[in-house]
Amino acid sequence: GAGVSQTPSNKVTEKGKYVELRCDPISGHTALYWYRQSLGQGPEFLIYFQGTGAADDSGLPNDRFFAVRPEGSVSTLKIQRTERGDSAVYLCASSLYMGPVRANYGYTFGSGTRLTVV
Amino acid sequence: AQTVTQSQPEMSVQEAETVTLSCTYDTSESNYYLFWYKQPPSRQMILVIRQEAYKQQNATENRFSVNFQKAAKSFSLKISDSQLGDTAMYFCAFMHYGGSQGNLIFGKGTKLSVKP
Repeated sequence: GAGVSQTPSNKVTEKGKYVELRCDPISGHTALYWYRQSLGQGPEFLIYFQGTGAADDSGLPNDRFFAVRPEGSVSTLKIQRTERGDSAVYLCASSLYMGPVRANYGYTFGSGTRLTVV
Repeated sequence: AQTVTQSQPEMSVQEAETVTLSCTYDTSESNYYLFWYKQPPSRQMILVIRQEAYKQQNATENRFSVNFQKAAKSFSLKISDSQLGDTAMYFCAFMHYGGSQGNLIFGKGTKLSVKP
């Protein structure tokens, strides 16, 4: 697609429920990132995919968070047993992978999913 | 660990005037990039300008320029001829390169209001 698409745009869920957030990156972009932006903060890194594999998941806060990218394009961020503290905007970004010696600075961000846990 | 600090939570400027947003960072790395991103109410992060740490010349993009002071670990953004459309959150960000990740580390942001 022309840009990074994230759905839903907004999601309200009850504490304890399971949610899935979807990211559809730019066609051909092999690198995909998830970030979480809490109110009044800058985005914080969650997980990075290179192709189908999670190359770095060191930013996931705990084992309730999981992400997949089974075919190397669309990614889904999954949150189990949601807590009120999970309320945030979840941003996805994609880029062409430039290789290990050059920064992937050609990021394109989506507009995020605002998750509210009540 | 790398950190990025933006000490101005909010700034305002009159239309057509110039404003400077501050950013400092801390890192032990020698190879890195620095960025300024704009986030309007639509939430999409939009790249404003980037600077490679190995370049001494300050980056410029039309009305946007940076003052990069590597020794002081300072990276400020100057917006000239401010326009109403510049109203947004602005985030300073750091990226170490040389690895295979390319994840960004962001500051807390500065809310910029351009007044008519």
